[in-house]
Amino acid sequence: DQQVKQNSPSLSVQEGRISILNCDYTNSMFDYFLWYKKYPAEGPTFLISISSIKDKNEDGRFTVFLNKSAKHLSLHIVPSQPGDSAVYFCAASAKSNEKLTFGTGTRLTIIP
Amino acid sequence: EAGVAQSPRYKIIEKRQSVAFWCNPISGHATLYWYQQILGQGPKLLIQFQNNGVVDDSQLPKDRFSAERLKGVDSTLKIQPAKLEDSAVYLCASSLDPAAKNIQYFGAGTRLSVL
Repeated sequence: DQQVKQNSPSLSVQEGRISILNCDYTNSMFDYFLWYKKYPAEGPTFLISISSIKDKNEDGRFTVFLNKSAKHLSLHIVPSQPGDSAVYFCAASAKSNEKLTFGTGTRLTIIP
Repeated sequence: EAGVAQSPRYKIIEKRQSVAFWCNPISGHATLYWYQQILGQGPKLLIQFQNNGVVDDSQLPKDRFSAERLKGVDSTLKIQPAKLEDSAVYLCASSLDPAAKNIQYFGAGTRLSVL
């Protein structure tokens, strides 16, 4: 039972363009969502988060959008840079505890 | 600030052998997590400690996996005996205060290959 889904295993984007990574969830108890970025041979690093009381959170080139009715969130990176090439994981947690449930990840490749 | 330290980075063992992983969290972080990440999947929580107490071990295969955090600082995760399907990266993470939705900081992980 996969409660957090990232349906695109990979995505290639031209440098300078916008990268859009998508994530869907099924558990209506989730109220906090995070994006993590992972380079090879390193652990995931926190990128940006959003609470269910908001529908948008922005941090520099990174913006996360949350659509609660659709149980969908997306990460926008603009402009995309070569250093953004990595695997991006969407994660969610519920009110009742802080356990993070991760998606399967999307490998983003930025083409110079 | 030093990050989450894990050792070893790589381990190769044969099935039915035992193995142990070590994690030292960021100083002052009360909560420590062990995750299992199988190739092509996202990290899956195995166990969560708050100081030296277990908060959640619902997904830990307790017949073969064990973990401890005796002094509320560093932690060890053990597998005994290992199976082929235990081949994965084992990630340790820590956070300052999960109740405040603090971020989890991950170590580089230990890549385990069971032959």
